[in-house]
Amino acid sequence: DAGVIQSPRHEVTEMGQEVTLRCKPISGHDYLFWYRQTMMRGLELLIYFNNNVPIDDSGMPEDRFSAKMPNASFSTLKIQPSEPRDSAVYFCASSVQRNTEAFFGQGTRLTVV
Amino acid sequence: KQEVTQIPAALSVPEGENLVLNCSFTDSAIYNLQWFRQDPGKGLTSLLLIQSSQREQTSGRLNASLDKSSGRSTLYIAASQPGDSATYLCAVSLDRGSTLGRLYFGRGTQLTVWP
Repeated sequence: DAGVIQSPRHEVTEMGQEVTLRCKPISGHDYLFWYRQTMMRGLELLIYFNNNVPIDDSGMPEDRFSAKMPNASFSTLKIQPSEPRDSAVYFCASSVQRNTEAFFGQGTRLTVV
Repeated sequence: KQEVTQIPAALSVPEGENLVLNCSFTDSAIYNLQWFRQDPGKGLTSLLLIQSSQREQTSGRLNASLDKSSGRSTLYIAASQPGDSATYLCAVSLDRGSTLGRLYFGRGTQLTVWP
């Protein structure tokens, strides 16, 4: 398996624009997680899914953020409208079960100018 | 809320030294603890996962121990090499229904091993 695949690797956008981050989890993994990493706050969980259903979205910072998982092999994290303070590295991770080893993608570095 | 602290924040050592990285957590009701490695500009690579019922896990030159009651874990790296240079992150998951699955991360220890 190629591991967790995220796209794009880098995204630079202007404030106010919509941004969509994409993730393909490892096949057979029932859990998918979106994390955000910043210098100020470190790594924080935004939301996670079990079998395509959102389970815990308490980490989603604002209504500007939304996440979907239309099927077992694809998830998106959308920010609309984007703001400079959203600049961070966004990671997607997947695991077989919710408390088993988590495998992370390479991340998307988002810069909002 | 679970707070995870890692000490030291940075460590610079010569090649060949044995190292200990420390991780502490405030809520001892954990389900498991994971150690990750992160290289600059890269994602996280899982190194070791210790279940709450275990005391330690070993993989090659790495050994992680867990003392759940005192809220501590250590990552021991034997005979360090320049290729070990990276940031090492500790993360715990809680054994509590509503939070199961969520990983709480420390801020990491940035390790530099020089030749």
